[in-house]
Amino acid sequence: EIVLTQSPGTLSLSPGERATLSCRASQSVDSNFLAWHQQIPGQAPRLLMYAASSRATGIPDRFSGSGSGTDFTLTISRLEPGDFAVYYCQQYINSPGTFGQGTKVEIK
Amino acid sequence: QLQLKESGPGLVKPSEALSLTCSVSGDSIRNANYYWGWIRQPPGEGLELIGSVYYSGSTFYSPSLTSRVTISVDTSNNYFSLKLTSVTAADTAVYYCARFRKYYNSPGWPDFWGQGTLVTVSS
Repeated sequence: EIVLTQSPGTLSLSPGERATLSCRASQSVDSNFLAWHQQIPGQAPRLLMYAASSRATGIPDRFSGSGSGTDFTLTISRLEPGDFAVYYCQQYINSPGTFGQGTKVEIK
Repeated sequence: QLQLKESGPGLVKPSEALSLTCSVSGDSIRNANYYWGWIRQPPGEGLELIGSVYYSGSTFYSPSLTSRVTISVDTSNNYFSLKLTSVTAADTAVYYCARFRKYYNSPGWPDFWGQGTLVTVSS
């Protein structure tokens, strides 16, 4: 089973700042097989990115994804109040797939 | 407008079976582009992928749960179901149903999630 390790566990930032979230896989994951999801407290998660760098429908362009092999990054260029949430990466190269443990982005 | 709605008991006794249903509206469960599956989240913890099913009945399960889980599909009534046997307190979680984009003939990313339902395992 592929293990995804996300870092940092918590990121404390202010609105308007840039957030950089990391997801590292225990073995190589083709960049086509990595997604990111956002979970606002009390809500169901929602898809942000798939195939590492493709934004889901309705996701603003301040969200971007990159990476390949074992290292992937989600970047939020300028944090807005609604972006403070928990972010999960997910691999689907090995079905049914696995999630990382999450990175919490909190208001500083 | 796509909607996924989980339903089932909110309380299950230890050693018994947990059964949930996800009703789908706004899309056909026969849509060849998608799998349909389940994800759970223990209170205060992260997400765990349980498994998924294709309209043909083909399934993929988490290796850690495969001995206890069954996911099935009812194409006539447009819903799919989860059964998890021999539950313990560790199975207490919010259970989400989700639509998964089919990718290279396997379940890919969940692109739409239900609102989730809390299932507590307790006597």
